[in-house]
Amino acid sequence: DGGITQSPKYLFRKEGQNVTLSCEQNLNHDAMYWYRQDPGQGLRLIYYSQIVNDFQKGDIAEGYSVSREKKESFPLTVTSAQKNPTAFYLCASSTSSGGAWKTQYFGPGTRLLVL
Amino acid sequence: AQSVTQLGSHVSVSEGALVLLRCNYSSSVPPYLFWYVQYPNQGLQLLLKYTSAATLVKGINGFEAEFKKSETSFHLTKPSAHMSDAAEYFCAVSAGNTPLVFGKGTRLSVIA
Repeated sequence: DGGITQSPKYLFRKEGQNVTLSCEQNLNHDAMYWYRQDPGQGLRLIYYSQIVNDFQKGDIAEGYSVSREKKESFPLTVTSAQKNPTAFYLCASSTSSGGAWKTQYFGPGTRLLVL
Repeated sequence: AQSVTQLGSHVSVSEGALVLLRCNYSSSVPPYLFWYVQYPNQGLQLLLKYTSAATLVKGINGFEAEFKKSETSFHLTKPSAHMSDAAEYFCAVSAGNTPLVFGKGTRLSVIA
């Protein structure tokens, strides 16, 4: 079955540590996205990528980094510069970030907790 | 730039009653509008979308939404609530070549 997978489901970070969240899709989608979800704040866009080897900052990119070396994969690194990383992180993909084909499909999420 | 406002962070209805979740948008160009549902500790699932075809859009699980340009609204309705409808609902808008912008969400509780 086609879909989006995120791993791990839960991730624990120690002070000063960088951690990487995995996102893989087999939908053959061009665009991929990372969102952060905090209670009562909805979804906030961290980074998005419309094509391999290219990505753009979203609304809250500080303290995060991404790469897009393969069409299927869009990993997110939460760096030590992100002082409040505890949140639920959602990855999504779509056929294109422009035009009418903007329906985004979401993975199951990764919950990041700070030790 | 576009934006979305969801009126009411929490809505509570009785089982069998009408569900009405409100969404107003702002966009300088014709928008595409979406409703998503999220169950606890899960990702978002698409309920329905408006892409400039019919203004009344039918989605999964008996939900529908009507696009009203004059009111800049895209409210979500369901005639009869089920216990399984308890979840968080997000309205989202996109216009031009920009990613989706999400509202802050409305948590729906269904009382037996």
